[in-house]
Amino acid sequence: DIQMTQSPASLSASLEEIVTITCQASQDIGNWLAWYQQKPGKSPQLLIYGATSLADGVPSRFSGSRSGTQYSLKISRLQVEDIGIYYCQQASSAPWTFGGGTKLELK
Amino acid sequence: EVQLVESGGGLVQPGRSLKLSCVASGFTFSNYGMNWIRQAPGKGLEWVAYISSGSSYIYYAETVKGRFTISRDNAKNTLYLQMTSLRSEDTALYYCARGLYPGYNWFAYWGQGTLVTVSS
Repeated sequence: DIQMTQSPASLSASLEEIVTITCQASQDIGNWLAWYQQKPGKSPQLLIYGATSLADGVPSRFSGSRSGTQYSLKISRLQVEDIGIYYCQQASSAPWTFGGGTKLELK
Repeated sequence: EVQLVESGGGLVQPGRSLKLSCVASGFTFSNYGMNWIRQAPGKGLEWVAYISSGSSYIYYAETVKGRFTISRDNAKNTLYLQMTSLRSEDTALYYCARGLYPGYNWFAYWGQGTLVTVSS
């Protein structure tokens, strides 16, 4: 199975700050990587797919990048509505696996 | 508008069975593979099972293999998860989810979830 190691587990940042979350895949998954945001009491929302493509309706301050088997989610200017838990997910092969999550809080 | 509505959750004793349903609308259900994904209280996301559009391909997480059965009825636009031999560690909110495009398992659409609690 492909393991997805996400870091950090938690993150405290200020408004307008740049935030970066990373995810390391245990093997080559190409661009088969997605990022999700989950707000308290809500279902997860797809943010990024194909490692770098922005899902419909997602603000442009979110972006995804890839370097080998390491993937990053960047929020360029943190807003209040960005607070939540972020997950990466590999879509390369079954079993489809998620990272452990990053809890993003306001400082 | 794509909608996924789960039902069938509840409190069940260890070792018993439960069947979840997910009714889909707003898209051609028979064109898409479907998934069940769960989230234990206060924990992360765990993919549980996948069924292809025509039910030819089915995959399970190791944690549920042999105990859970995913199925679908394309005529009724409904996805199912039959859960047997339930354990306390199966306690979770169960979501059904659809990929962004046919054959692409980026989970673009999620239901609101149905809560399964396994306890005596």
